[in-house]
Amino acid sequence: RKEVEQDPGPFNVPEGATVAFNCTYSNSASQSFFWYRQDCRKEPKLLMSVYSSGNEDGRFTAQLNRASQYISLLIRDSKLSDSATYLCVVEGGYQKVTFGTGTKLQVIP
Amino acid sequence: SAVISQKPSRDICQRGTSLTIQCQVDSQVTMMFWYRQQPGQSLTLIATANQGSEATYESGFVIDKFPISRPNLTFSTLTVSNMSPEDSSIYLCSGGRTNTEAFFGQGTRLTVV
Repeated sequence: RKEVEQDPGPFNVPEGATVAFNCTYSNSASQSFFWYRQDCRKEPKLLMSVYSSGNEDGRFTAQLNRASQYISLLIRDSKLSDSATYLCVVEGGYQKVTFGTGTKLQVIP
Repeated sequence: SAVISQKPSRDICQRGTSLTIQCQVDSQVTMMFWYRQQPGQSLTLIATANQGSEATYESGFVIDKFPISRPNLTFSTLTVSNMSPEDSSIYLCSGGRTNTEAFFGQGTRLTVV
């Protein structure tokens, strides 16, 4: 089993739709969790951290389920500009970081 | 936040040669890291660049193949030595307080022929 697994997609959704991505991790001792966004041929950029209580930033909501070892990212009211690959990142302590392979989102007009 | 300038942005190199990639940060950062991202793959950490001392390499990566320098808190280089086509990849540096809350350079797209 991979340390961090994501559905590669692509997820093709119409503008205005709500879309959710899940990411599972294998290391139960993992400490911190993040979502990054990577546009085509660009560097990854931090989108948001994921907290145990769940957190929201505008149209984006991230949640963590430690018992089931997954994190999720919900995007509401999808915009064309949301089209990108979303990378799940898990930190397992001692600065050991694992990136998922990413989930590709394509928002269609 | 920090802005990281990475160069070259791309290069095509002959096998057996070496390429040095540079990253310049516009402010002092505690940590700097080097990653590789192969097509359709996740980012893989190569090493942590330590200021004033030898880099800390991840499993599967060695100093002879990927020598790293970090002379100060704003600059680091990664050399890909004795290149082969298997080294063709995107190489990314990042810097920040930690390696998860870090900012990335624009990446170097390397093709070895």
